[in-house]
Amino acid sequence: AAGVIQSPRHLIKEKRETATLKCYPIPRHDTVYWYQQGPGQDPQFLISFYEKMQSDKGSIPDRFSAQQFSDYHSELNMSSLELGDSALYFCASRPENTGELFFGEGSRLTVL
Amino acid sequence: TQLLEQSPQFLSIQEGENLTVYCNSSSVFSSLQWYRQEPGEGPVLLVTVVTGGEVKKLKRLTFQFGDARKDSSLHITAAQPGDTGLYLCAGAGLRGSARQLTFGSGTQLTVLP
Repeated sequence: AAGVIQSPRHLIKEKRETATLKCYPIPRHDTVYWYQQGPGQDPQFLISFYEKMQSDKGSIPDRFSAQQFSDYHSELNMSSLELGDSALYFCASRPENTGELFFGEGSRLTVL
Repeated sequence: TQLLEQSPQFLSIQEGENLTVYCNSSSVFSSLQWYRQEPGEGPVLLVTVVTGGEVKKLKRLTFQFGDARKDSSLHITAAQPGDTGLYLCAGAGLRGSARQLTFGSGTQLTVLP
């Protein structure tokens, strides 16, 4: 069965650089979520999209932005990277009318 | 803000022992999920509970949703080293943010052979 695909799996950037993470949800899932998980922490909700429109906003810094495209893939853009942005970034998709999220394997961002 | 507290935060037991992980909140959730996460991987859904008082079993794992839909528990019987991982509960809100999940703080379980 198709799963949520994230790319890249690993990314190393320097402070003040920009990074873009991509997420391809499971086909026919109508909601996409982005989560940030620091070392030893639970996932923190950043932002979500429902049918290509932003639906909820969590603790996403102003330096970050995200969008969902016509093919339902989503991108998380991070600018002016800081050391504290180093984390695992998960994308999850959700089918209509259920509360269950299906997570991708994550993108590990390391900011040096 | 709907907060979920998990306990214990860390648990290390011997193979064959039983254990229970708790997930508590002062808020009511429309549904609650349990996930297991291994290092460097995304959380994997184990179960969803929806009805107050509901009990679901998944092999050696038993999940219960509190009658008031504010709390849940995960009981593992005869734990095995393969059960090692981070267990996360996550609640879906009742209205408005029903599409947003709130994660608990997680329980890191280590089962020693």
